[in-house]
Amino acid sequence: GAVVSQHPSWVICKSGTSVKIECRSLDFQATTMFWYRQFPKQSLMLMATSNEGSKATYEQGVEKDKFLINHASLTLSTLTVTSAHPEDSSFYICSASGLAGGPRDNEQFFGPGTRLTVL
Amino acid sequence: GQQVMQIPQYQHVQEGEDFTTYCNSSTTLSNIQWYKQRPGGHPVFLIQLVKSGEVKKQKRLTFQFGEAKKNSSLHITATQTTDVGTYFCAAGGTSYGKLTFGQGTILTVHP
Repeated sequence: GAVVSQHPSWVICKSGTSVKIECRSLDFQATTMFWYRQFPKQSLMLMATSNEGSKATYEQGVEKDKFLINHASLTLSTLTVTSAHPEDSSFYICSASGLAGGPRDNEQFFGPGTRLTVL
Repeated sequence: GQQVMQIPQYQHVQEGEDFTTYCNSSTTLSNIQWYKQRPGGHPVFLIQLVKSGEVKKQKRLTFQFGEAKKNSSLHITATQTTDVGTYFCAAGGTSYGKLTFGQGTILTVHP
């Protein structure tokens, strides 16, 4: 149980184009989803926190207009990288939480990640 | 904001040797979680520690939470090649369950 999928697993795009990444909780309702980016051999940097039906909360230094987050349902959140540039190339990982009650309610379940390469 | 320092950044061991990674915070943590990320993979939850002085074991892995709830450690006894990967601590307890990740320790195990 508690599986999170992410699509696509990798994408290569041209500079200036927009890329949408989907994050789905397959077998539970995710009250909260998180978006991270990770550079090679570095830690996960939280970009934003999104709750179903409300605006995402962005971390300091993350451009809201560049990284558009939509959390349309309890099982789906999307991250759109608008007008992507080579410096946006990274590994983007989503996670979901929402197993309310019990010892696992703080646990985050991570998707497999999306590797974005902007040429 | 909340910061968690994790050391060492890298650790190379021979198979069978022990391994420990440490996390420290300047502020008291409500809880701390540990994750493992295999090369090319995504983080996988290992455990959550909540209580002061808590010690939990999972087979060869021992997790500790300091008495002041400002530090934590993960110790692996007799490492195996399957233990390779990056181990992250993550401080929790902020709004909506947000986690602050440590820098991670990359473990390499030589057979």
